[in-house]
Amino acid sequence: EAGVAQSPRYKIIEKRQSVAFWCNPISGHATLYWYQQILGQGPKLLIQFQNNGVVDDSQLPKDRFSAERLKGVDSTLKIQPAKLEDSAVYLCASSPDRDSVGYEQYFGPGTRLTVT
Amino acid sequence: QKEVEQNSGPLSVPEGAIASLNCTYSDRGSQSFFWYRQYSGKSPELIMSIYSNGDKEDGRFTAQLNKASQYVSLLIRDSQPSDSATYLCAVKGSRGSNYKLTFGKGTLLTVNP
Repeated sequence: EAGVAQSPRYKIIEKRQSVAFWCNPISGHATLYWYQQILGQGPKLLIQFQNNGVVDDSQLPKDRFSAERLKGVDSTLKIQPAKLEDSAVYLCASSPDRDSVGYEQYFGPGTRLTVT
Repeated sequence: QKEVEQNSGPLSVPEGAIASLNCTYSDRGSQSFFWYRQYSGKSPELIMSIYSNGDKEDGRFTAQLNKASQYVSLLIRDSQPSDSATYLCAVKGSRGSNYKLTFGKGTLLTVNP
């Protein structure tokens, strides 16, 4: 079974520029997550999709971050304009569904963003 | 704000020893608990999940859960240098939090040959 795919793996941009990340979840997984992991911290959830609907985006900085999941499969996360503090690894994860028990999340390789 | 706290580390153990990693959480409604291993520069890899009070063993790994004390632990027996990584405790919240997965900051484990 193929894992979660992400691209690009690395990105360097200047502040105030825009950037987009792409994620393809494990086939058949209904739930897709975007996390931000700053160096030395655990991943922090930015947004959670169930099929193509947003379940939770309470920690997404909506003035600069946006995300969509077209047709309930692939997803893109965009930052516009980027700030220095956005330098982090952006992780995409997926799970078969969501519930209180079970449905482990599996992570993609991540995109390392450096904002200069 | 639901919190997950891990022993700060770093933790250093000799090869062959038992490494003990601890985690406490604040959301009493949580039902699912996970341990992820993260090598430097890599993404988190799920190594254990536990849903019921007690112990769950998988090879050299044992996860322990005590919901009354809101405490989760991971024991690594016969530690190997390849176990050197950051271990992340993750707790899935209740329905009111949309089953959000909250991570601790991680504990860096170094196993010395």
